[in-house]
Amino acid sequence: EAQVTQNPRYLITVTGKKLTVTCSQNMNHEYMSWYRQDPGLGLRQIYYSMNVEVTDKGDVPEGYKVSRKEKRNFPLILESPSPNQTSLYFCASSWTDRGRGGYTFGSGTRLTVV
Amino acid sequence: GEDVEQSLFLSVREGDSSVINCTYTDSSSTYLYWYKQEPGAGLQLLTYIFSNMDMKQDQRLTVLLNKKDKHLSLRIADTQTGDSAIYFCAELSTSGTYKYIFGTGTRLKVLA
Repeated sequence: EAQVTQNPRYLITVTGKKLTVTCSQNMNHEYMSWYRQDPGLGLRQIYYSMNVEVTDKGDVPEGYKVSRKEKRNFPLILESPSPNQTSLYFCASSWTDRGRGGYTFGSGTRLTVV
Repeated sequence: GEDVEQSLFLSVREGDSSVINCTYTDSSSTYLYWYKQEPGAGLQLLTYIFSNMDMKQDQRLTVLLNKKDKHLSLRIADTQTGDSAIYFCAELSTSGTYKYIFGTGTRLKVLA
């Protein structure tokens, strides 16, 4: 089954403790992206990747890092999480550049930073 | 700046038609999308329309685009309880750098 898999689904952590949210897709998509979803704000792009070793900032990149060492994986790293990073995070991939043909989304990771 | 606006809630009776509306601001947008988000799940692409089209139909879904008014709508015919979800409108803005912009979502509740 074609899918985007994120882990973990739920995470509660403390301020300052580094964490990584993993994302993997099995569709051989070149374009991948991370979004956060907050009430009243819709989805905002954090980072995106056009291909292996090619990443760039989205609208809200502060406090996040990403890497793209392999085509299928696009982890999101929070080096020093803060409470304002409490959110619902989605990884997405697309067979087209910038998601023109639409995205396939993961099921989400609900992160709480206390 | 770019913005996509949707009403927050819509309630309809099972079997009726639902119409979810969206307005966008970037006239250079070339692609417009509708996504569906069910509880506890990611967004699922329902359909998309090119900006040179006025209408697109796909089974129970009809998308209408009024480019002059920058208005996009999604009509769901014969709405079922399984259609209860949050519906997101999105545009791919091509002014400056390509940028995908999502609306805040419309929560559709279908009453049995």
